[in-house]
Amino acid sequence: QSALTQPASVSGSPGQSITISCTGTSSDIGTYNYVSWYQQHPGKAPKLMIYDVTNRPSGVSDRFSGSKSGNTASLTISGLQAEDEADYFCSSYTGSTSLVVFGGGTKLTVL
Amino acid sequence: EVQLVESGGGLVQPGGSLRLSCAASGFTFRSYEMNWVRQAPGKGLEWLSYINNSGRTIFYADSVKGRFTASRDNAKNSLYLQMNSLRVEDTAVYFCARDLRADGTYGDAFDIWGQGTMVTVS
Repeated sequence: QSALTQPASVSGSPGQSITISCTGTSSDIGTYNYVSWYQQHPGKAPKLMIYDVTNRPSGVSDRFSGSKSGNTASLTISGLQAEDEADYFCSSYTGSTSLVVFGGGTKLTVL
Repeated sequence: EVQLVESGGGLVQPGGSLRLSCAASGFTFRSYEMNWVRQAPGKGLEWLSYINNSGRTIFYADSVKGRFTASRDNAKNSLYLQMNSLRVEDTAVYFCARDLRADGTYGDAFDIWGQGTMVTVS
């Protein structure tokens, strides 16, 4: 199972909105609504930000939102803040015994 | 506090073995499916293994199938990863992670992560 495709980096200024894409195939993102997004600061464990494409866990800011169209999922962060600077990873259920595939990660820089 | 704490990492030679542990606390461990995920230095996340709440259903990534074995001891609130025939490319931080929902959903999100334990194969 190949990794999902994410841009290596994105950037934005405080207050702006950015969107990170995550492209898979009809075998994963295109078929299943089990897409998740994780935020990871350097040296820390990943933190769940979005699950089931659009849902936010309790405690996650509503500035974070998720969507999906076809084989591509997206994470949008609005009202960028300095603390949003981190790596972001998407994941999807694959429907196979290799249950989960991650994206390669996107480094978000807040200018 | 809901918590996962990994241990057992270290330096091992190629071809060697290592057993990782993940101690759970603050939640009903026996109810949740668990996973192992790793991250090579400077790289992305790679899912390795899923084990259901009873330990009877286990899935592996192709990259570790036949070399790694996941298990759990619900009486000890612990998850394990036995790693054999280790390769240089297995060098990574290894995380244990809890499924979001305690309902056997395959491909579920991971809501609780440990801090990770470093495995170096050299």
